[in-house]
Amino acid sequence: DIQMTQSPSSLSASVGDRVTITCRASQGIYMFLNWYQKKPGRAPKLLMYGASILQSGVPSRFSGSGSGTDFTLTITNLQPEDFATYYCQENYDLRFTFGPGTKVDIK
Amino acid sequence: EVQLVESGGGLVQPGGSLRLSCAASGFTFNNYEMNWVRQAPGKGLEWISYITTSGKTTYYADSVEGRFTLSRDNAEKSVFLQMDSLTAEDTAVYFCARGTRIVGQSYYMDLWGQGITVTVS
Repeated sequence: DIQMTQSPSSLSASVGDRVTITCRASQGIYMFLNWYQKKPGRAPKLLMYGASILQSGVPSRFSGSGSGTDFTLTITNLQPEDFATYYCQENYDLRFTFGPGTKVDIK
Repeated sequence: EVQLVESGGGLVQPGGSLRLSCAASGFTFNNYEMNWVRQAPGKGLEWISYITTSGKTTYYADSVEGRFTLSRDNAEKSVFLQMDSLTAEDTAVYFCARGTRIVGQSYYMDLWGQGITVTVS
């Protein structure tokens, strides 16, 4: 099975900051990588698929990059509504494994 | 309105069973694969099950294989997660999620229900 890791596990940032989250797959997954945002008590929200394709309606301050085993999610000009936990998810095999999450909180 | 609505959660004793339902509306249900994802208290997201559009093929996470059964009724626009032999480790919020496939490129979960709580105690 593919294992997904994320770093950091948490970070503190201020409104307006640029934030970068890294996701790594235990084997190459081409660009079969999604990113989700999760807030407490809310359903997960798809941000990005195909590693770098922004889901409709998601602000352009979110961007993704990477292929193979290493991926990044970048949030530029962090907004108050962006404080949440972010998960990567591989869709290379039929396990759809999520990473452990990165919590972004307010500094 | 395009939405998924889960039902059937609640409190169950260890070893017991529960059947979750997810009702779809606002989109052509039989065109979409469906999934269940759960989040245990204080933990991350865990994908647990997937079903094809026809319902003929299902996949499960190792953690629920042999205990959970996913099915669908396209006429009712619903999926059903039968959960048997429940343990405390199954306590979680369960989300159903629509899967969208771009052949050869991506598979992603773009529509989620609000979640339903299952407590095994």
